Amino acid sequence: EPEVTQTPSHQVTQMGQEVILRCVPISNHLYFYWYRQILGQKVEFLVSFYNNEISEKSEIFDDQFSVERPDGSNFTLKIRSTKLEDSAMYFCASVGDSTDTQYFGPGTRLTVL
Amino acid sequence: AQSVTQLGSHVSVSEGALVLLRCNYSSSVPPYLFWYVQYPNQGLQLLLKYTSAATLVKGINGFEAEFKKSETSFHLTKPSAHMSDAAEYFCAVSAIQGAQKLVFGQGTRLTINP
Repeated sequence: EPEVTQTPSHQVTQMGQEVILRCVPISNHLYFYWYRQILGQKVEFLVSFYNNEISEKSEIFDDQFSVERPDGSNFTLKIRSTKLEDSAMYFCASVGDSTDTQYFGPGTRLTVL
Repeated sequence: AQSVTQLGSHVSVSEGALVLLRCNYSSSVPPYLFWYVQYPNQGLQLLLKYTSAATLVKGINGFEAEFKKSETSFHLTKPSAHMSDAAEYFCAVSAIQGAQKLVFGQGTRLTINP
């Protein structure tokens, strides 16, 4: 069964450093999302992406964040200058054109020191 | 605007007992509703979804949920709990206009006692 994959599974970085989180959505899906879950808190929407542009973003998704689909398979989330409060689990999700279900990847745990 | 409230951050039941996890939603438009499960150190797995068809929805692992518009609820149930059901459960809502963002509740941690 097709699945969403994410790399790396765990990323440790120093405050102020740039990180890129990578996702490979399900191959025929058209809508892509990033969510985050700070430890012990609920899953929060960050951004949605369709047709090579952002379709919606939350107030969390400020100028430090960016998303990109550099080729036909990858979908990336970049944090330009990480802060301590960016430490969280980041989930990628995708949706196909004929479905209403978001399929989630296993997540990347980002730890900012 | 949409929101989800899950009553009870922790629920503990005995093995074989009924599982009831509560979810109430608020939505200004007709909603789609979802339950996701998260096992320790894993991602989110879809349990079941309501997308404006049958109000009683059956999902994986013996779980089901009933959409009650009058009560704005979408509670998750399972007749007989199994040890493997121990996990975090999230209720989520989205608008029905296709591929909309999910708004999640706080989650309910389910513990199964032997």
